[in-house]
Amino acid sequence: AQSVTQLGSHVSVSEGALVLLRCNYSSSVPPYLFWYVQYPNQGLQLLLKYTSAATLVKGINGFEAEFKKSETSFHLTKPSAHMSDAAEYFCAVSKGNSGGYQKVTFGTGTKLQVIP
Amino acid sequence: EAGVTQFPSHSVIEKGQTVTLRCDPISGHDNLYWYRRVMGKEIKFLLHFVKESKQDESGMPNNRFLAERTGGTYSTLKVQPAELEDSGVYFCASSRGTEETQYFGPGTRLLVL
Repeated sequence: AQSVTQLGSHVSVSEGALVLLRCNYSSSVPPYLFWYVQYPNQGLQLLLKYTSAATLVKGINGFEAEFKKSETSFHLTKPSAHMSDAAEYFCAVSKGNSGGYQKVTFGTGTKLQVIP
Repeated sequence: EAGVTQFPSHSVIEKGQTVTLRCDPISGHDNLYWYRRVMGKEIKFLLHFVKESKQDESGMPNNRFLAERTGGTYSTLKVQPAELEDSGVYFCASSRGTEETQYFGPGTRLLVL
């Protein structure tokens, strides 16, 4: 079984401040981990993914995440928030190395508000 | 390359009516997934097609939901009869072969009154 916990359903940061969105996962096998973003009135867009290569993963729009096995975490960070980062962010996990055909388990989402 | 498309973008129906949602995956993607997000909850897996075959339908809520993917191209998800608790956003996603990344469509927002 696999699960994802996102701490904080709402996070507010000032423009220019560090963005830190927390995600912890549970998986019985080495996981694949993802962060998706949903901008208002749009679909889910892949920000970045971890698939057992480098533990520090860089994504689009200046975001990155670090896979920490010992902490079962995959927190999302961005050094300096921009107004356009306001969106809802979803952490997700799937079973790695299962040859595809794998369902993704999502966290409950974190809405990021950026204050001017 | 066109992304995953879903139709309609919004649907408002009354309890007891039937609604059919459509998903067109990215061309060449054999895998097609349906997910649902009920308001305030997490996005949950409904089912997975590989081409025209249902690979995993463990997330389908009940027999009021019927998904098809005739010919292995687009898919439809029918809800009949719709209940209030079926309201939410229905997402479709697709992926190639054994690729781990799923590409999501914009979703269909369903409201059952």
